Amino acid sequence: QSALTQPPSASGSPGQSVTISCTGTSSDIGTYKYVSWYRQYPGEAPKLIISEVSKRPSGVPDRFSGSKSGNTASLTVSGLQAEDEADYYCSSYTVTNIYVFGTGTKLTVL
Amino acid sequence: QVQLVQSGAEVKKPGASVRVSCKASGYTFSTYAIHWVRQAPGQGLEWMGWISTDTGKTGYSQKFQGKVILTSDTSATTAYMEVRSLKSEDTAVYYCARGPPFDPWGQGTLVTVSS
Repeated sequence: QSALTQPPSASGSPGQSVTISCTGTSSDIGTYKYVSWYRQYPGEAPKLIISEVSKRPSGVPDRFSGSKSGNTASLTVSGLQAEDEADYYCSSYTVTNIYVFGTGTKLTVL
Repeated sequence: QVQLVQSGAEVKKPGASVRVSCKASGYTFSTYAIHWVRQAPGQGLEWMGWISTDTGKTGYSQKFQGKVILTSDTSATTAYMEVRSLKSEDTAVYYCARGPPFDPWGQGTLVTVSS
């Protein structure tokens, strides 16, 4: 099972919006709604920010939103803030009953 | 609050094994699976496997099949991960996470493999 494909980097200025893509196949993202997104600050454990494609856990700002079309999922961060600078990973359940992570995207707030 | 606390950092020689523990609190242990994720230095997240804390059923990424053994002790509300035949490339931070989805995560355990 190959990793899901994410752009290595993304950037935006404070207040702007940025979208990070996560491309898989019909064996993972294309079949299941079990796509989630995680934010990781340097030296810290990842934190869940989106589950089941577009659900935000309690405490996650509504600036974070998720969507899916075909084999590609997307995370949009609106109203960028300095604290959003981090690494972001997507994850999906797969037809072989295992999970796979994306390659990760480093988000820079300019 | 829901919390996963992992055991401390380990230094091991090549060929040895290491066992990492993941102590859960703040919820009914047997109602959620525990997943394990590896992150090599400067690299991304890699899903390793999962264990049902209710039935003991396990599932592994093909890469880690035979390399990793996952167990759990319901009475101790603790999950364990054993990595065998360590090599230098197994040097990484290992995380446990309740799930799915993976939430919360343990703080991570650094395993260093060096002669």
